[in-house]
Amino acid sequence: AQKITQTQPGMFVQEKEAVTLDCTYDTSDQSYGLFWYKQPSSGEMIFLIYQGSYDEQNATEGRYSLNFQKARKSANLVISASQLGDSAMYFCAMREGPDTSYGKLTFGQGTILTVHP
Amino acid sequence: DVKVTQSSRYLVKRTGEKVFLECVQDMDHENMFWYRQDPGLGLRLIYFSYDVKMKEKGDIPEGYSVSREKKERFSLILESASTNQTSMYLCASSFGASSYNEQFFGPGTRLTVL
Repeated sequence: AQKITQTQPGMFVQEKEAVTLDCTYDTSDQSYGLFWYKQPSSGEMIFLIYQGSYDEQNATEGRYSLNFQKARKSANLVISASQLGDSAMYFCAMREGPDTSYGKLTFGQGTILTVHP
Repeated sequence: DVKVTQSSRYLVKRTGEKVFLECVQDMDHENMFWYRQDPGLGLRLIYFSYDVKMKEKGDIPEGYSVSREKKERFSLILESASTNQTSMYLCASSFGASSYNEQFFGPGTRLTVL
């Protein structure tokens, strides 16, 4: 079974609007972490935001926020005020288990975001 | 800034060749990872290492081996390259065992096996 599911292969948004990229996860662990990465066409992976399973508040980093709904096992990325430079592939990832898991990540399939002017 | 470098951006090899992909990080990270990225499948973990000479299989280790003789260097080896190993290979590193340490990625190597 997929541990991380991103159901949107592609998303389109107008410049300056907000967009939500969906991510659901599956784990039986109580302690886990959720990450979002951005991959522009150049190929490098850029870390955006992290949410720990015990964090009570949703994570925010500038224009990025993570809508964490633990009971629904979802960790959606919200990008506010989209910019043309936000056009990229976005990956959701999860680290399971206690802190001795050495930071192994399981990635979703990715969502390609296109920002229109 | 953390820097993770990979030996080649593009590589073309023949079926049956032995292929070495090198990865070097300059931030003294304990953990290093090798992924392959294929369209529609995301990134899949091949192998990882949490210390010098230590290695663990990831989700898709078949056809691959790794070597970590020095802390900063993690090599991925394709013993006998096959066409189904044509892919983008990404190396990453992270600090310690803590859950909230993000992985830092290299630029990737696009390998084509003919």
